[in-house]
Amino acid sequence: QVQLVQSGADVKEPGASLKVSCKASGYTFTDYYIHWVRQAPGQGLEWMGKISPRGGNTDYAQRFQGRVTMTSDTSTSTVYMELSSLRSDETAVYYCARTLSGSSSSYWGQGTLVTVSS
Amino acid sequence: DIQMTQSPSSLSASVGDTVTITCRASQAIRNDLGWFQQKPGKAPKRLIYAASSLESGVPSAFSGSGSGTEFTLTISSLQPEDFATYYCLQYNSYPWTFGQGTKVEIK
Repeated sequence: QVQLVQSGADVKEPGASLKVSCKASGYTFTDYYIHWVRQAPGQGLEWMGKISPRGGNTDYAQRFQGRVTMTSDTSTSTVYMELSSLRSDETAVYYCARTLSGSSSSYWGQGTLVTVSS
Repeated sequence: DIQMTQSPSSLSASVGDTVTITCRASQAIRNDLGWFQQKPGKAPKRLIYAASSLESGVPSAFSGSGSGTEFTLTISSLQPEDFATYYCLQYNSYPWTFGQGTKVEIK
C-alpha cells in the first residue's frame, strides 16, 4: 500500500533551517509529484511547492522563493524539504502529499511538527 | 495569487442534514479545484478533484459542482464521522491556494 512516512518532530531556533524528509513506498516513486503543505497551529492549509522526483523539477510558492529547497533521492525514494531563515510564526505541521490534483489517488504523510522558538 | 473564499467559515448541523459549502475564486480557474476533509490532529484527506470527481473510496454522500469561479461541496445525510473542517484547493495557477476552511460542527 502507498505510504508517505515523514521524519519526526523538531525544534529550531529563529534564523535556523529545518529539513523534513518524506519517504515514499508502495508505488513507483518517480511517477508522481510530491507536494509540501504546512499548517500553523489552529490555522488553515498553505501550499509551499512541489517537486518531481523524476527530474527534480520544482515549483515553489513565490513567498518561499529563496528560502525553500525541495530535493529528491531516488535511491531511497525520499523527498526532502528545507526551509531556511525560520521565524517564530513558522511553527507549523509540515505535510508531504502525493497527488493533490489529477485522478490518481491522493496520499498524505502523517505530518511533522516543527516548533520555532528560542 | 488567486484568492479562494469559503463560506460559511463554520456551521452547525445535525446528523442526517444536508450541508453545502461554497468556495469562490478571485478569478476563473476552470474546474481545477479539489475538496479536502481534515479531522483534528490528522492529515487532510482528498474528497473531490476536478471540481466534481469523487476520490476513490469516498462515500457518494459527498458531491462537488461548479466551474469558473464558484464551487460547492455538498454532504448529503451528514454522518457523525463527517464533522470536520473542509478546505477547497485551486490548482489552476501557481501558487496553489487553499480556502480558509469551513468547520462543520454538531448542532
